[in-house]
Amino acid sequence: AQSVTQLGSHVSVSEGALVLLRCNYSSSVPPYLFWYVQYPNQGLQLLLKYTTGATLVKGINGFEAEFKKSETSFHLTKPSAHMSDAAEYFCAVSDQSNYQLIWGAGTKLIIKP
Amino acid sequence: EAQVTQNPRYLITVTGKKLTVTCSQNMNHEYMSWYRQDPGLGLRQIYYSMNVEVTDKGDVPEGYKVSRKEKRNFPLILESPSPNQTSLYFCASSGGGSVYGYTFGSGTRLTVV
Repeated sequence: AQSVTQLGSHVSVSEGALVLLRCNYSSSVPPYLFWYVQYPNQGLQLLLKYTTGATLVKGINGFEAEFKKSETSFHLTKPSAHMSDAAEYFCAVSDQSNYQLIWGAGTKLIIKP
Repeated sequence: EAQVTQNPRYLITVTGKKLTVTCSQNMNHEYMSWYRQDPGLGLRQIYYSMNVEVTDKGDVPEGYKVSRKEKRNFPLILESPSPNQTSLYFCASSGGGSVYGYTFGSGTRLTVV
């Protein structure tokens, strides 16, 4: 069965520092991969996605992620953290039907002033 | 504005009192889904619907019912709520599969006492 593992339920970085949120997946076929963000008291919104083509994908708010098939990873990065990036981030992978998503448990990003 | 609308945003109820959480989307999406979000557990799917009159169980369907009589509406029904159904609930929709991204509602925080 497919699964998604996000390393670290909480990640704390200083404002201006690099943000790295880790996501590993298990899948027998090349999947579609997603990062969603949930700001406090809001629903989730799509941050970025990988479907085919270039393995480095750029999303909103300066975030990007790289699909590494050999490592079955799709880590999320941002060069310089802002206070407004404080949120919970979810990694997800599509199932075989490409309608359903398999979700990671989420990583809460904390930004220190 | 394209959106998924959930009501109510907050609800406190007593054990055993039937309730319905409404979900409506204005994007003509075929696919709709209900999730519950609990700390440390991420998002767990309750039910989903691929189109009108087509619904299927997700990972945690016990204690919930859904219906899809119209394309735009996908209500979640708790016939006899129990305290373990206290959670944050999200409705989501998608047109054409996960590759196009899901649009989420703002959430319904349910407390069952």
